[in-house]
Amino acid sequence: DAGVIQSPRHEVTEMGQEVTLRCKPISGHDSLFWYRQTMMRGLELLIYFNNNVPIDDSGMPEDRFSAKMPNASFSTLKIQPSEPRDSAVYFCASRAGEGYYGYTFGSGTRLTVV
Amino acid sequence: GENVEQHPSTLSVQEGDSAVIKCTYSDSASNYFPWYKQELGKGPQLIIDIRSNVGEKKDQRIAVTLNKTAKHFSLHITETQPEDSAVYFCAASKNSGGYQKVTFGIGTKLQVIP
Repeated sequence: DAGVIQSPRHEVTEMGQEVTLRCKPISGHDSLFWYRQTMMRGLELLIYFNNNVPIDDSGMPEDRFSAKMPNASFSTLKIQPSEPRDSAVYFCASRAGEGYYGYTFGSGTRLTVV
Repeated sequence: GENVEQHPSTLSVQEGDSAVIKCTYSDSASNYFPWYKQELGKGPQLIIDIRSNVGEKKDQRIAVTLNKTAKHFSLHITETQPEDSAVYFCAASKNSGGYQKVTFGIGTKLQVIP
């Protein structure tokens, strides 16, 4: 398996523009997570999907953020409109189940909003 | 909610020496404790984990110990090598509303000096 695949690796955009981050989880993993990493706040959970259904989106900062998982092999995180404070590394992770399983993280998308 | 404290935030050791990273958690319901290693420009990678019914687990040069009474768990790396240099995250996981909710520590930057 190629692991969790995220695209793009880097994204630079202007304030106010729409940004879409993409993730392909490991085949067979039924849980998918979006995290944001910053120096100040560490790893923050944004949203969690189980079997393609959003279970916990309490970490989504505000209405500018939205996430979808239309099928078991694809998820998107969208920011519209983007702001400079959204600059961070965004990670997607998948997990095999709800038991004692760790995450497999993707390589992340480094987002810079100027 | 769960609170995970991790220390030290930075750690420098000479190659060949041991490194210890400590974490405490607040919720006695936490039952699974994974550790992740994040190398520069990459996503965190699961390196070892421990369940609440186990006191210690080893995997070659790394080991994790858990003291449930004190709500402490620690990562031990022996015979450190330059490739051990990375940021290490501890995490505590518990069942919440039918799914495993994970709380991460803030991270420890380990530098192994050749």
